[in-house]
Amino acid sequence: SQQGEEDPQALSIQEGENATMNCSYKTSINNLQWYRQNSGRGLVHLILIRSNEREKHSGRLRVTLDTSKKSSSLLITASRAADTASYFCATDAIGFRSGGSNYKLTFGKGTLLTVNP
Amino acid sequence: NAGVTQTPKFQVLKTGQSMTLQCAQDMNHEYMSWYRQDPGMGLRLIHYSVGAGITDQGEVPNGYNVSRSTTEDFPLRLLSAAPSQTSVYFCASSYLSPTGLYEQYFGPGTRLTVT
Repeated sequence: SQQGEEDPQALSIQEGENATMNCSYKTSINNLQWYRQNSGRGLVHLILIRSNEREKHSGRLRVTLDTSKKSSSLLITASRAADTASYFCATDAIGFRSGGSNYKLTFGKGTLLTVNP
Repeated sequence: NAGVTQTPKFQVLKTGQSMTLQCAQDMNHEYMSWYRQDPGMGLRLIHYSVGAGITDQGEVPNGYNVSRSTTEDFPLRLLSAAPSQTSVYFCASSYLSPTGLYEQYFGPGTRLTVT
């Protein structure tokens, strides 16, 4: 089942405006990551925030995490047409089985951001 | 580094045919995963591997097999293709850093159509 759910599903803004996307998840996490996908391409990692962090910045990106509400937001400031893409949040689940550590990353369904020039 | 490479980029199969999607990475990453992406569904984990010789099932493993004989390669086999397996398939690799942080590096994807 999907762990992360992004909101809104689609967002259309004008160049220069800020874009905010939200992600909610269901279970406890170690960290939350945001990825970007341009049409027809693979996903590219944008930013990671640990469960004990509340806010993180990277260039024009600002991510917040509220573990009490099990939610995160991604803010893109001063958007550009080149920011047009789908944005996904992803959460991890690390456990120990068969004598070693497992790794899983669960993705949400994504937000399609369109930035109009 | 080439990063994560996938072949083929496009493939059309008939129902019942089998094939292998190739994935390779040259970053010496421990972890590799296969996802499928369907419209409106996001990415769903098919199988993953935490190292050579170790694989495990993800969320949607039925109809797929994997093996990990080397660190570099993680092929995905479709045993008997079905129209429900029409999708875009992404391979990803990652490593666990000493700080306990990791991120996934994705391949460009394979677009598969089963008729």
